[in-house]
Amino acid sequence: EAGVAQSPRYKIIEKRQSVAFWCNPISGHATLYWYQQILGQGPKLLIQFQNNGVVDDSQLPKDRFSAERLKGVDSTLKIQPAKLEDSAVYLCASSFGGQNNQPQHFGDGTRLSIL
Amino acid sequence: QKEVEQNSGPLSVPEGAIASLNCTYSDRGSQSFFWYRQYSGKSPELIMSIYSNGDKEDGRFTAQLNKASQYVSLLIRDSQPSDSATYLCAVNGGGSTLGRLYFGRGTQLTVWP
Repeated sequence: EAGVAQSPRYKIIEKRQSVAFWCNPISGHATLYWYQQILGQGPKLLIQFQNNGVVDDSQLPKDRFSAERLKGVDSTLKIQPAKLEDSAVYLCASSFGGQNNQPQHFGDGTRLSIL
Repeated sequence: QKEVEQNSGPLSVPEGAIASLNCTYSDRGSQSFFWYRQYSGKSPELIMSIYSNGDKEDGRFTAQLNKASQYVSLLIRDSQPSDSATYLCAVNGGGSTLGRLYFGRGTQLTVWP
């Protein structure tokens, strides 16, 4: 079974520029998550999708971050404009369902550096 | 704010020893608990899940859960150098945040030969 696919693996941009990340979840997984992991910390949820609907975006900084999952499969996360504090690894995860007992499986992440 | 606390580490054990990793959580409504292993520069990898009080064993790994004490632990028996990684405790949020995982900061484990 193919895992969660993410691209790009690395991205370096200057502050105030924009950037986008792409995620393809495990086939058949209805729930997709975007996390931000700052160095030395655990992942923090940014947004959760169930199929193509948003379930939880309470921790997404909506003034600069946006995400979509138009057809209920692939998803993109965008940052515009980027700030220095956005330097982190952005992880995509998926699970079969959104219930609390469904384990989440992570992609390799995108390491973002802001100059 | 739901919190997940892990022993800060780093934890260093000799090869063959038992490594003990601990985690406490603040939300009494949490129902699902997970341990992830994260190698440096890699993504978190699920190694154990536990939902009921007591012990759950999988190979060299044993997860222990005590909901009354809001405590979950991971024991690694016969530790190997390849177990050297950061171990993340993750707890689901109960109530309105059902499905959301809250992660601890992780405990860095080093197993020396």
